[in-house]
Amino acid sequence: GENVEQHPSTLSVQEGDSAVIKCTYSDSASNYFPWYKQELGKRPQLIIDIRSNVGEKKDQRIAVTLNKTAKHFSLHITETQPEDSAVYFCAASYNFNKFYFGSGTKLNVKP
Amino acid sequence: GAGVSQSPSNKVTEKGKDVELRCDPISGHTALYWYRQSLGQGLEFLIYFQGNSAPDKSGLPSDRFSAERTGGSVSTLTIQRTQQEDSAVYLCASSPGLAGGEQFFGPGTRLTVL
Repeated sequence: GENVEQHPSTLSVQEGDSAVIKCTYSDSASNYFPWYKQELGKRPQLIIDIRSNVGEKKDQRIAVTLNKTAKHFSLHITETQPEDSAVYFCAASYNFNKFYFGSGTKLNVKP
Repeated sequence: GAGVSQSPSNKVTEKGKDVELRCDPISGHTALYWYRQSLGQGLEFLIYFQGNSAPDKSGLPSDRFSAERTGGSVSTLTIQRTQQEDSAVYLCASSPGLAGGEQFFGPGTRLTVL
């Protein structure tokens, strides 16, 4: 089955700096890669996703890159703000069947 | 329209008792997922329903866990003879299905087994 690894487990940045979170996956058949943000005590919410036919996708301060050959994908947050502080999860799926999640990255943006 | 709802929001039970957790997906969503999230951990896949197909139960940790989905809508996750290690937040999500689309999560049920 699929195995998704996520790094780092914690990340602390100064407000205004960029943050990068990386994930690798094992199953080359996976073709959908969402990223979720989970604030303390709340449900995960989708922030951006990418399909395997695309190498990069951007939405304002957030971008995701995908390298299918190397089987890794990354989340980039620019101009970080304190409200970006949360736990971020990557996931991988084949055709929207079951999703395999990474272990999460706790991002702390210091004002 | 309403999002995914789950009940109860909190459940405290004694070791050895059975519990039932309920999930109401978004209307029209054919895919429904159950996950378990232990404190400070990631989401562990439990089971996946897609339309009328047989569910993918490959994530269920033991035969004490079962789930059903009636009429392609509401789902119930049942844990029999609960153990302390079953304590976690159980999250349900739904999505439009094979055509793709975002997974929407419910608020979760926090299960505590004493």
